[in-house]
Amino acid sequence: EDKVVQSPLSLVVHEGDTVTLNCSYEVTNFRSLLWYKQEKKAPTFLFMLTSSGIEKKSGRLSSILDKKELSSILNITATQTGDSAIYLCAVEEYNFNKFYFGSGTKLNVKP
Amino acid sequence: SAVISQKPSRDICQRGTSLTIQCQVDSQVTMMFWYRQQPGQSLTLIATANQGSEATYESGFVIDKFPISRPNLTFSTLTVSNMSPEDSSIYLCSVESGGSDEQYFGPGTRLTVT
Repeated sequence: EDKVVQSPLSLVVHEGDTVTLNCSYEVTNFRSLLWYKQEKKAPTFLFMLTSSGIEKKSGRLSSILDKKELSSILNITATQTGDSAIYLCAVEEYNFNKFYFGSGTKLNVKP
Repeated sequence: SAVISQKPSRDICQRGTSLTIQCQVDSQVTMMFWYRQQPGQSLTLIATANQGSEATYESGFVIDKFPISRPNLTFSTLTVSNMSPEDSSIYLCSVESGGSDEQYFGPGTRLTVT
């Protein structure tokens, strides 16, 4: 069964728009949730959210973890064409140090 | 953050041959992970490699097909054996940064099997 589910699967917006990407998860021993941006081959780390750090912000990007709802959102404000990428959400479990990845959200920002 | 390099960055191989991918980290790490990302799909964990012990493989992946070496705390190799076109993928190694528990990825190896 899917442990990490992302929505939407794809999204097309215009420059300047604000987007919200969703990630929901179901793991037994939650340790952390991570967001990545993947443009070519390797994902680039964006944020890590844990029980002690449920909100992170960096420039136009911000993310919030809702442990009650077992979900997280990634917000991007004033989008630019350079934000076009696949955004991956991953959840880590304590016991096995495993990271479960969602299928990703493909964001296309048009000029 | 850890700096990770992978070799080769890409390769085109013939069916039935094997390819070994190298992963080098600039600092000592306990755990290294190998992932596969098939076209249009997300990352799938192949195995976890700890130094000094056998790699732990995920369901659907076996040692005969994907042998892994982990000779020290900064290096690992993944071999894709007896390749078929279905093995065409991006292969990524990653490490968990000991201090922050963040996971970082190498640049990836794009493998095409003809």
